[in-house]
Amino acid sequence: NAGVTQTPKFQVLKTGQSMTLQCAQDMNHNSMYWYRQDPGMGLRLIYYSASEGTTDKGEVPNGYNVSRLNKREFSLRLESAAPSQTSVYFCASVAGATTYGYTFGSGTRLTVV
Amino acid sequence: DQQVKQNSPSLSVQEGRISILNCDYTNSMFDYFLWYKKYPAEGPTFLISISSIKDKNEDGRFTVFLNKSAKHLSLHIVPSQPGDSAVYFCAASANSGYALNFGKGTSLLVTP
Repeated sequence: NAGVTQTPKFQVLKTGQSMTLQCAQDMNHNSMYWYRQDPGMGLRLIYYSASEGTTDKGEVPNGYNVSRLNKREFSLRLESAAPSQTSVYFCASVAGATTYGYTFGSGTRLTVV
Repeated sequence: DQQVKQNSPSLSVQEGRISILNCDYTNSMFDYFLWYKKYPAEGPTFLISISSIKDKNEDGRFTVFLNKSAKHLSLHIVPSQPGDSAVYFCAASANSGYALNFGKGTSLLVTP
């Protein structure tokens, strides 16, 4: 089925460990995004990539890095995980401007202990 | 500072009645507004949107109203069904830009 695929679905990390969250879309969308969802905080933008080859910081970029590997893939890296990064992470994509509405992946639930 | 605000964390409505979810925004540059629906353990899904040049948009049981002077929009669901029970996020973008600003969400419970 066409859509946005995130891996892994669940992950537990120890403080200080690193990991990369993977995201791939097969809809030929230009723009891709990483959001985190925390209780009572809604969805907050971490980083986005308006097009292949470009990335920009969002509202809460500290502690994260991203790579737009190609048009399909947009990864999020935690270099040294902290308990404050415990969250549900969503990847999304859109064909062009946001007026078309994002397509979201099903999320990665990350716990940092 | 939150530019999109959903001040009601939760709402409970009886099946068949109208559900009204509210959203306020502070940024006058926002010109496109969207509603997303989210079930537990799933990603949000796009529900309905409205451009700032309109004041109403309908799609089946769902209608979004926009009051630009009050910087307020609302989502009406008529009639409400138990399957509508989910978290609803209001979102906005400026100049059809590349990133959406989301509210904190309202959890809707539709009881039989």
